[in-house]
Amino acid sequence: AQTVTQSQPEMSVQEAETVTLSCTYDTSENNYYLFWYKQPPSRQMILVIRQEAYKQQNATENRFSVNFQKAAKSFSLKISDSQLGDTAMYFCALLTSGTYKYIFGTGTRLKVLA
Amino acid sequence: GAVVSQHPSRVICKSGTSVKIECRSLDFQATTMFWYRQFPKKSLMLMATSNEGSKATYEQGVEKDKFLINHASLTLSTLTVTSAHPEDSSFYICSAKYRGSRSTEAFFGQGTRLTVV
Repeated sequence: AQTVTQSQPEMSVQEAETVTLSCTYDTSENNYYLFWYKQPPSRQMILVIRQEAYKQQNATENRFSVNFQKAAKSFSLKISDSQLGDTAMYFCALLTSGTYKYIFGTGTRLKVLA
Repeated sequence: GAVVSQHPSRVICKSGTSVKIECRSLDFQATTMFWYRQFPKKSLMLMATSNEGSKATYEQGVEKDKFLINHASLTLSTLTVTSAHPEDSSFYICSAKYRGSRSTEAFFGQGTRLTVV
């Protein structure tokens, strides 16, 4: 069975500070992908960042970066210079190439404080 | 960028009636679309995978006769909630995958809030 676990239901961070959201996963597949999606109050799911499991280098997208620890099956998201617009629900997701089905974690509600 | 449009964004229906939700890929063809259900403050639960021109594949525990999925074209999939009951009230989200693409990214619609009264 494939699982995605987000152990932090809620987090808050001061504007301009850095915050890290945790995610662990489990899969027996060798070929898979990991994602962080953002769901703001509008409920529109927005892709934040993506990581291919076969790549050792951690993905980076502007202020967003990941710490991918394959052996530990850990995939954390770091948001630098947090902005008020980063306030949202963040979902970690796993996709295996065999099924092409997304498995989502339970989400972390992030609030950026002014 | 790839845009997926979901309609309606909100719908209220009476118990016992049916309601149809549309998911359209506006600027790309999607052979595969996915339907999710999201309970309040919960994660997205995959309900079914919709493949153009063939029957949908439902996840375990999802009633296929209650949640009818039709993927009649490369740009449109519909979810019909039949004989709706208050417990069907939820937020439904679709996503679409590029036709023939190796891209793993799925593009999400804006969701539909269904309230059954």
